[in-house]
Amino acid sequence: DTGVSQDPRHKITKRGQNVTFRCDPISEHNRLYWYRQTLGQGPEFLTYFQNEAQLEKSRLLSDRFSAERPKGSFSTLEIQRTEQGDSAMYLCASSLALLGADTQYFGPGTRLTVL
Amino acid sequence: AQSVTQLGSHVSVSEGALVLLRCNYSSSVPPYLFWYVQYPNQGLQLLLKYTTGATLVKGINGFEAEFKKSETSFHLTKPSAHMSDAAEYFCAVSEGGGADGLTFGKGTHLIIQP
Repeated sequence: DTGVSQDPRHKITKRGQNVTFRCDPISEHNRLYWYRQTLGQGPEFLTYFQNEAQLEKSRLLSDRFSAERPKGSFSTLEIQRTEQGDSAMYLCASSLALLGADTQYFGPGTRLTVL
Repeated sequence: AQSVTQLGSHVSVSEGALVLLRCNYSSSVPPYLFWYVQYPNQGLQLLLKYTTGATLVKGINGFEAEFKKSETSFHLTKPSAHMSDAAEYFCAVSEGGGADGLTFGKGTHLIIQP
């Protein structure tokens, strides 16, 4: 169990550019989640997948955001035409769906700075 | 819709003193409740969780929390604080057994005074 990994750990971009982040979940975890955390706030849910299916999207996920999990393993989160308000820590979590309580395990996050 | 309120954005205690971090929730169904800890430049680590059954839940590093339905609370405690407990603590609620997106509070920064 190597834990949830995210790449890159830091990304600095200029306003208007596109960025893509990658998340590798714990192997055999079938659920994968994306959250956004801004300074001084708790994480806010963006979207989640069960295997390759995107099951829920938050209203926070604007049209400029898209997430994929093509083979049910790693996932990517793309932000198009970045804005300064997109600056945040983007967290990925994974869990193994079982009857009863799931536990979400979080990665270290990707910190995005939009200049 | 569920929500979480953490009272006190900063809590300061002396080393060896009792730690009490407050969390109140709102949920339309029986909730699942979680406490996570975040150290600087690290991801969130699960401290403990309440699902069903016993209302007093024990977690890692000597922390525990008690689910009180009548008070809609899930406060986190530790009898004796250590310097290593200094971190950001987040309470979270799930209405989907933890399988849905969690709703987090704003966090409480725990400061340990020597």
